[in-house]
Amino acid sequence: AQSVTQLGSHVSVSEGALVLLRCNYSSSVPPYLFWYVQYPNQGLQLLLKYTSAATLVKGINGFEAEFKKSETSFHLTKPSAHMSDAAEYFCAVAPTGNQFYFGTGTSLTVIP
Amino acid sequence: EAGVAQSPRYKIIEKRQSVAFWCNPISGHATLYWYQQILGQGPKLLIQFQNNGVVDDSQLPKDRFSAERLKGVDSTLKIQPAKLEDSAVYLCASSLDSTWLLSYNEQFFGPGTRLTVL
Repeated sequence: AQSVTQLGSHVSVSEGALVLLRCNYSSSVPPYLFWYVQYPNQGLQLLLKYTSAATLVKGINGFEAEFKKSETSFHLTKPSAHMSDAAEYFCAVAPTGNQFYFGTGTSLTVIP
Repeated sequence: EAGVAQSPRYKIIEKRQSVAFWCNPISGHATLYWYQQILGQGPKLLIQFQNNGVVDDSQLPKDRFSAERLKGVDSTLKIQPAKLEDSAVYLCASSLDSTWLLSYNEQFFGPGTRLTVL
């Protein structure tokens, strides 16, 4: 069975501090992995994706994530948080690239 | 290019009423998805279309939910009759093609329709 676990439903960081959002997955096959961001009253926007190329993936808005097969993790990071980063973040796994399984989301608050 | 369009953006109905949502995918996208996102949860796939055919509807509550994509372009999702637990945001997404299982095509999401069932 495929699943995604996002540790911490709410994360607060100070502006300028490191952002770390955790994601662990289970998949019976080497998966495709994604991070999406959702701003209030908007749809999901792709931040970055891992599709079996480089394990360190860079995305938009300064975010990056590292695929660690041994830890079955795909944590999202950003060196310096900005107020505009406040949003809901979803990790997703797609074992075949076709059907997505989303985590429950992490709400990021940035404190000025 | 224009994104995925959905309407209405908000809908409030009473239980046992019926409701329909509309989605127009990005032009040229063969695959269309409907997701249900309950407050505090991640999106859950309800149904996936490839052109006008259903690829996966295993999580669609078929006793009350139905969806169609007759001409392989826009799609309608219907709930009849609605229950309180159907209150959620219904997201539509589209991608170029999903027929190649070992490839990946990015899904583009619409803004969603927020349904409240009273």
